[in-house]
Amino acid sequence: GAVVSQHPSRVICKSGTSVKIECRSLDFQATTMFWYRQFPKKSLMLMATSNEGSKATYEQGVEKDKFLINHASLTLSTLTVTSAHPEDSSFYICSARDPADSGRNEQFFGPGTRLTVL
Amino acid sequence: GNSVTQMEGPVTLSEEAFLTINCTYTATGYPSLFWYVQYPGEGLQLLLKATKADDKGSNKGFEATYRKETTSFHLEKGSVQVSDSAVYFCALGAGGTSYGKLTFGQGTILTVHP
Repeated sequence: GAVVSQHPSRVICKSGTSVKIECRSLDFQATTMFWYRQFPKKSLMLMATSNEGSKATYEQGVEKDKFLINHASLTLSTLTVTSAHPEDSSFYICSARDPADSGRNEQFFGPGTRLTVL
Repeated sequence: GNSVTQMEGPVTLSEEAFLTINCTYTATGYPSLFWYVQYPGEGLQLLLKATKADDKGSNKGFEATYRKETTSFHLEKGSVQVSDSAVYFCALGAGGTSYGKLTFGQGTILTVHP
């Protein structure tokens, strides 16, 4: 099956710094990737849709200048949390569309990145 | 808009007990339905899926049937194991202008005791 990786798996940073999280599709090309945020014991909240070669589409209420998304190649999307603050601490998960979608509308998820801002 | 509602958790069972986690949805058109499982500290894994009404998804002893008449996709397993302890998410994949996006339920924590 399709495999999606994320790096790093865990990051701790100081308030005010920027953090970059990478999402890679390892054995397929993904024109569309998604970024989610998960709070403790809560569901996943879609933050944005990352489109290869074009600007990301952000969900309502998500600050695009705060969460920068770049999808420079068919196998890599990055999420940069700029000027991170403690309230940005969360579990960030990416996913990629099934390349042979055929209307199944299925996504493959990365293992997630735990961000802690001190 | 689209929405997914799961039964409130947490659910605590003894090993070999029967499991049901209810899931109902609201959507326009003909969505695909999914159950994802998240083990502690990990990302989501697809457990099973169904793409049209009356389809039954099954995997690892878990089953769910796409019921359009009741807009439901309840997850069941006849005999749970300790290793099934995880968080379970029901999700909907819509069509139309929202094609490709998933809408998740709030998740149900399952704990299975020996």
